[in-house]
Amino acid sequence: EIVLTQSPATLSLSPGEGATLSCRASQSVDNYLAWYQQKPGQAPRLLIYDVSNRATGTPARFSGSGSGTDFTLTISSLEPDDFASYYCQQRSGWPRTFGQGTNLEIK
Amino acid sequence: QVQLQESGPGLVKSSETLSLTCTVSGGSIINYCWSWIRQTPGKGLDYIGYICYVGSGSGSTNYNPSLGSRVTISVDPSNNRISLQLRSVTAADTAVYYCARGGGSPDVWGTGTTVIVSP
Repeated sequence: EIVLTQSPATLSLSPGEGATLSCRASQSVDNYLAWYQQKPGQAPRLLIYDVSNRATGTPARFSGSGSGTDFTLTISSLEPDDFASYYCQQRSGWPRTFGQGTNLEIK
Repeated sequence: QVQLQESGPGLVKSSETLSLTCTVSGGSIINYCWSWIRQTPGKGLDYIGYICYVGSGSGSTNYNPSLGSRVTISVDPSNNRISLQLRSVTAADTAVYYCARGGGSPDVWGTGTTVIVSP
């Protein structure tokens, strides 16, 4: 099973600042890495798929990068609506797996 | 747009079978894969499995090996539904259960339903 490790576990920032979230895989996932956003009481929402492709409705301030085992989600300028939990997920291997999440909180 | 809604008992007794249904509205279940994913505060998001349905037969499935032979996912094309059965449940199966569209990185999710396994 491919293990995804996200860092940091918690990120405290202010609106307007930029955010960088990391995800490291225990083995290569090629380009099959996605990012999800989740708010309390809601289902995860797909933001980015296959490393850098924005899903329908994802604002341009969200971007993904990386390859192989190291990936990054960047939010260029935080909006109040962006404070949530973020999960990376791989579809390279079976079972599909998720990282443990990064909680992005308001500073 | 397509919407998914999970339904089923919120409370299941230990050792019994958990049965959930996902109703798809605003679109067909044909030519898509459909996943079940669960979430707990302790273990996070856990992929249960998925079924791919092309309009005939019973669909092809893929299950998380950690669940062994306890899980079955099936489709009900006449009602545009996907079902999950998880047998011999324990407290460790207490979670929020989601159905979602896609077998890779699902792009549409239901709102989720909480299932508690009681002793």
